[in-house]
Amino acid sequence: ELKVEQNPLFLSMQEGKNYTIYCNYSTTSDRLYWYRQDPGKSLESLFVLLSNGAVKQEGRLMASLDTKARLSTLHITAAVHDLSATYFCAVEDNNAGNMLTFGGGTRLMVKP
Amino acid sequence: DVKVTQSSRYLVKRTGEKVFLECVQDMDHENMFWYRQDPGLGLRLIYFSYDVKMKEKGDIPEGYSVSREKKERFSLILESASTNQTSMYLCASSLAGGLYGYTFGSGTRLTVV
Repeated sequence: ELKVEQNPLFLSMQEGKNYTIYCNYSTTSDRLYWYRQDPGKSLESLFVLLSNGAVKQEGRLMASLDTKARLSTLHITAAVHDLSATYFCAVEDNNAGNMLTFGGGTRLMVKP
Repeated sequence: DVKVTQSSRYLVKRTGEKVFLECVQDMDHENMFWYRQDPGLGLRLIYFSYDVKMKEKGDIPEGYSVSREKKERFSLILESASTNQTSMYLCASSLAGGLYGYTFGSGTRLTVV
């Protein structure tokens, strides 16, 4: 059974600082996705990582995938308040018809 | 540019009522999913469907049923709503082979009183 773990679960940081959210998963997979969820809203797709070594960047966020280590990172550069949200990683399960298994989410709060 | 539409953003129902949550997607996706999301419990899969008239139980199907009569529409049914079904319900869809992940609807916040 595929398990996906994110850490930290909660992150409070100052504006302007850098930080990394980690997403570990337990079985082989080549595809990983990052989503953002604002309070009371639904999940919005951020990044699609489709192969080992994939790196995607959008503004102050950069995501990478290491399929050998079964690890993805979401790096935040010079955080701003607008990045405050909950971030989920989701891993495609090769043994379950490409269904996604979600991590528990990382709630990010960026303080002015 | 709305792609997955959930019929209601907020819903208040009484205990014992039969509740229908509707989800429609316009991307010709084969797969559709219903999740519920509660604080501290993450996303939990209720049911999913990979084709018209096909359905599979997810992790927490008890108290729910689903219907998929057309490819674009996936309905979640609470046969007799209870207060412990108060939650945020999220519908999602995807292509059969994955590749682009899931597209989520805007969610329905259901309160059962």
